[in-house]
Amino acid sequence: EAQVTQNPRYLITVTGKKLTVTCSQNMNHEYMSWYRQDPGLGLRQIYYSMNVEVTDKGDVPEGYKVSRKEKRNFPLILESPSPNQTSLYFCASSLRGHVVSGELFFGEGSRLTVL
Amino acid sequence: GESVGLHLPTLSVQEGDNSIINCAYSNSASDYFIWYKQESGKGPQFIIDIRSNMDKRQGQRVTVLLNKTVKHLSLQIAATQPGDSAVYFCAENNQAGTALIFGKGTTLSVSS
Repeated sequence: EAQVTQNPRYLITVTGKKLTVTCSQNMNHEYMSWYRQDPGLGLRQIYYSMNVEVTDKGDVPEGYKVSRKEKRNFPLILESPSPNQTSLYFCASSLRGHVVSGELFFGEGSRLTVL
Repeated sequence: GESVGLHLPTLSVQEGDNSIINCAYSNSASDYFIWYKQESGKGPQFIIDIRSNMDKRQGQRVTVLLNKTVKHLSLQIAATQPGDSAVYFCAENNQAGTALIFGKGTTLSVSS
C-alpha cells in the first residue's frame, strides 16, 4: 500500500530534549516536505527536499533540522525543542521534484507537545 | 505576499444537499490549485486539482471552479453525505513551485 509513515504519532517531551520525528515513503517519490499545523494558522511548510541530499528551508524553519540521505526517508530533528514547537506535524511527498507536477501525499501526522 | 483564504470557517448542510466551499487566493501568478480534505486525526487527503488554464474540472461528486478574474476557487460537492464531514483546505503552489500554500480551512458538517 502506498503511504507516508510518520513516527511517533504522539509525543510529550520537555524543553531542550532533542527529538527526531521520522518520515518514510514507499512510493519512490523525489520530493518530500514537512509542514506544521496550528489552530488559526493552517499548514505551514518547515523544510522541503527536492531529492537525495537536496534540502531547503520553507516558511518556518527556525528550530528545526532535516536530512535526506536516502530517497525514502526525511527525518525532522528538533535539537532543543521549545514550547512554541508544540504542534501537529505532517510529512508529505510528491512524485517529482516540483509540487506542480502532481499531488502531495500526506502522512497521518505527529502530535508533539513540548512542556 | 502569497496567501490563500477561505470565505467561511464553517458550513453546515443537510445530507443530500449540494455543498459549496469557497476560497480566495491572492497570487495572480499561481498556476496550480488543489483541494484537500482532512478528517479528524488524519492527514490531508487530495480531492481534486485544477491548473490555471482551466476554469472547471469534475471528479466523482466533486467539481472545482476557478475564476482567475476575481481570484476565486470553489469546491462543489454533490449530494453531500455524512462521510463528507471534514475540514476542507484549498491550496495553491508558491511562486517557486517548492510548496503548497494552504488556506485556513472550512469545516463542513453534514447532518442526516
